[in-house]
Amino acid sequence: NAGVTQTPKFQVLKTGQSMTLQCAQDMNHEYMSWYRQDPGMGLRLIHYSVGAGITDQGEVPNGYNVSRSTTEDFPLRLLSAAPSQTSVYFCASSKGYGGSNQPQHFGDGTRLSIL
Amino acid sequence: SQQGEEDPQALSIQEGENATMNCSYKTSINNLQWYRQNSGRGLVHLILIRSNEREKHSGRLRVTLDTSKKSSSLLITASRAADTASYFCATTTSGSRLTFGEGTQLTVNP
Repeated sequence: NAGVTQTPKFQVLKTGQSMTLQCAQDMNHEYMSWYRQDPGMGLRLIHYSVGAGITDQGEVPNGYNVSRSTTEDFPLRLLSAAPSQTSVYFCASSKGYGGSNQPQHFGDGTRLSIL
Repeated sequence: SQQGEEDPQALSIQEGENATMNCSYKTSINNLQWYRQNSGRGLVHLILIRSNEREKHSGRLRVTLDTSKKSSSLLITASRAADTASYFCATTTSGSRLTFGEGTQLTVNP
């Protein structure tokens, strides 16, 4: 059972480039979310989804897009990368539509550097 | 702004000692969760305590919740070097958002 899989693990981009961070889970979880983790700031919620076809904004959504076409996948798109988006990105999932009330399962993160 | 704030920011103890970390939050919650993060890895769920519970145990972990003071504590008893990690509290209010604190870095020295 793989759990939550994030790819790539590391990525370096130039300012203005776009890319997609992939997240897949094999636990049939309804709730999925994306966080960024910066030193001294803990984890901040970017976007979340309570089920296929449903997404909503978190605390820091600007510069990021998400979609949820299947239960398993929840990709995060950076539209035009900026140095301020240098961070470690974590995807998480949990069962149930009230997923934030359930234990979250995290991937191991994508370490992204924007030059 | 962060809903949960952990205290202390860093804690260094000797193996075998107990470690206590505190979390304070600002608004009413549905539940509070604690997570551990080893260096370079994702977060791992430790324990969830609901707003109508006051204390919960899991192995060497003991979590308390005081909703009147809007605070929680995580106690790790008989700590081991393998407990070295960052510990985060996370709260759920209404809606579907889970909000994390900034974490406590625990170092357990052999």
